Amino acid sequence: GEEVAQTPKHLVRGEGQKAKLYCAPIKGHSYVFWYQQVLKNEFKFLISFQNENVFDETGMPKERFSAKCLPNSPCSLEIQATKLEDSAVYFCASSQHVRENTEAFFGQGTRLTVV
Amino acid sequence: RKEVEQDPGPFNVPEGATVAFNCTYSNSASQSFFWYRQDCRKEPKLLMSVYSSGNEDGRFTAQLNRASQYISLLIRDSKLSDSATYLCVVIIYTGTASKLTFGTGTRLQVTL
Repeated sequence: GEEVAQTPKHLVRGEGQKAKLYCAPIKGHSYVFWYQQVLKNEFKFLISFQNENVFDETGMPKERFSAKCLPNSPCSLEIQATKLEDSAVYFCASSQHVRENTEAFFGQGTRLTVV
Repeated sequence: RKEVEQDPGPFNVPEGATVAFNCTYSNSASQSFFWYRQDCRKEPKLLMSVYSSGNEDGRFTAQLNRASQYISLLIRDSKLSDSATYLCVVIIYTGTASKLTFGTGTRLQVTL
């Protein structure tokens, strides 16, 4: 597609429930990035992929968060046993390369509310 | 110390004013620099890349100072529609990993 497509737009989960978010990168883009934006406006890097391979996972809370990018499927970010502090907007971005001055395009985000 | 730092603002300026934002980064291995704009919790959108020689796009001018490790954005003749949060974004890549690191954003409110 011509844009990064994230689904769902909104997701409400009770504490302890599982949440699964999806991201379809722009066709032809090899890199996918996941970010978490909480109320204070800070973007926290979670994980990046180069095609289906994890490229950088230094930001992932390993205990409850997992992510995959499988061939011919949207990428996914899964949170097991959600907590109140997981409430945030989760943005996915894709880029063609990670070379100098290559723009990353963002999806519209998934707003996760944990109640 | 955060990897990328910005003054959160808000900057409240009248229409027609010139306003400048700075952003400092701590990792000297940073290789690419961008200004993104985010409106009202929507997705960030690229405003402009920042090149070593500085670059201009209409009313917007971006500068990079590698020695002092900061980038700047100048907006001339501010419009109401410029009201948004401006995010400084730095890419560090080592060949085995890459990360876009965001500043916390600077909020701009342009008023009549």
